Amino acid sequence: EPEVTQTPSHQVTQMGQEVILRCVPISNHLYFYWYRQILGQKVEFLVSFYNNEISEKSEIFDDQFSVERPDGSNFTLKIRSTKLEDSAMYFCASRVGTARAFFGQGTRLTVV
Amino acid sequence: AQTVTQSQPEMSVQEAETVTLSCTYDTSESDYYLFWYKQPPSRQMILVIRQEAYKQQNATENRFSVNFQKAAKSFSLKISDSQLGDAAMYFCAYRYNAGGTSYGKLTFGQGTILTVHP
Repeated sequence: EPEVTQTPSHQVTQMGQEVILRCVPISNHLYFYWYRQILGQKVEFLVSFYNNEISEKSEIFDDQFSVERPDGSNFTLKIRSTKLEDSAMYFCASRVGTARAFFGQGTRLTVV
Repeated sequence: AQTVTQSQPEMSVQEAETVTLSCTYDTSESDYYLFWYKQPPSRQMILVIRQEAYKQQNATENRFSVNFQKAAKSFSLKISDSQLGDAAMYFCAYRYNAGGTSYGKLTFGQGTILTVHP
C-alpha cells in the first residue's frame, strides 16, 4: 500500500524556536492536509492545501503557522515561534479525488 | 459547522465477543463520507471502514461493519469476534463531499478507547 512519510518521528524544541515538520505525500495525490492531536484528545484539522495554495484553515492555524510545497514532493508545516501548547502529534495526510485520505505515521512535537 | 460526537469515552469487550461503538454527527449536507479510524498505541491513524452517504447498504470489512442511519445521523461500528489486536482508540470522522471536488477536511469525534480482555 502507498505510504505518506513524515520526518522526524519525534522532535524536541525549546519554546520560541522555529520548527519545520516534513511530509512526503503519495506522489499522484492532489490534496494535502495537516492535523494535530494533543495527547489524549481528538484529532483536529489545521490546514488543507490544493493547487499550491491553502484551501482551508482552522482557527488554530494562526500567523505562527505556515505550509509549503517547495519542490512538488515535500509538504512542510512550519511553526515560527513554538509555544508549550504546540506540543502535540502532528499528522500529514494526502488524498486524490474522492478516495480516502492516507495518513503519515505522525511527528510527535515536544516543546520544552 | 459539522460536528461529530462519540458519547462513549471507553468501552471494553471480551475476546471473541462483539462490541458496538457509537457515533452521531450533525450536518445539513446530503453528500458526505463517514469513516472509522483506529489509533493503536503507536498513534498511527489506520482506516477501518468507510461509508458513502448516498449508499443505503451498510459497509462491511471482514469483522468490521457499520450501522448507518442517515435520517438519525448515526454511524455505529460493530466489531465481531473481537481480538486482542483490536484494542485501540477508535475515531469516527466526517467528510463533506461537494460534488467530488471538496477540499475535504475530516472532522473527528472525541474518540472511544476500546479495551479487549483475554
